[in-house]
Amino acid sequence: AQRVTQPEKLLSVFKGAPVELKCNYSYSGSPELFWYVQYSRQRLQLLLRHISRESIKGFTADLNKGETSFHLKKPFAQEEDSAMYYCALSASANTGFQKLVFGTGTRLLVSP
Amino acid sequence: GAGVSQSPSNKVTEKGKDVELRCDPISGHTALYWYRQSLGQGLEFLIYFQGNSAPDKSGLPSDRFSAERTGGSVSTLTIQRTQQEDSAVYLCASSFGLIRPTDTQYFGPGTRLTVL
Repeated sequence: AQRVTQPEKLLSVFKGAPVELKCNYSYSGSPELFWYVQYSRQRLQLLLRHISRESIKGFTADLNKGETSFHLKKPFAQEEDSAMYYCALSASANTGFQKLVFGTGTRLLVSP
Repeated sequence: GAGVSQSPSNKVTEKGKDVELRCDPISGHTALYWYRQSLGQGLEFLIYFQGNSAPDKSGLPSDRFSAERTGGSVSTLTIQRTQQEDSAVYLCASSFGLIRPTDTQYFGPGTRLTVL
C-alpha cells in the first residue's frame, strides 16, 4: 500500500536557520513525489516535484530511493515560509488513474 | 482565468441531513479530484474523475458518499445522512489529466462542513 509519513507535526525555527521537513514514503512502483504548501488563508498549491529537480523559493528536495525519503530543505528560513507543508506521492502506476497520497503535514513556524 | 471554485465555503448542518458540495474546475481540465481534510489527518483522497472514464471511487469512506460530474465539468459531492465524523474541509482539485509525468493539481478553497 502507498503511504507517506511526515513525522513532525510542528517544526519551529528562527529566521535564518536551516530547515529540513522530513518525508518518508512506502510505494512498490516508481514513485513521483511532490511537496504542496498551504499558506495562511490561501489554497493548497504545488511547491515542487522531484522530477523537476528545481529550487522553488529556496527550497529543494532530493528523492532518495534507498532511504525512501523526499525531505524538503532550505538553508536559510524566512518568516514568509511559515505555512503547512504536505508531502505527496502520486500513486498512478499502471492503473491509468492518478491520485495523490498525502502525508499528515508539517506546520513550519519561522520566528523573527 | 479563474481557478477552481467551490461552494458553499461553509456549511453547517444537523446530523442526519443530506448535503451537496459543488466544485467548478478550471476550464479545459479533464481530471477532477475530491479530498477530505480532517483535523490532524492530512488530506484523504475520496474520488477521481478523468474525462469520460468511470470514476475511481476507491477513497469514498462509505456508501453515504457519492459524487457525479456532469458534462465533464462541474462536480457535486453528496453526503447522505451526515454524521459528526463527516465534519471536515472538503477540497476539490483539477488538472489537465496527464498520467506520466503526473501533472499539477490545482486546488479550490474548500468547503468547511460542520455536522452538529
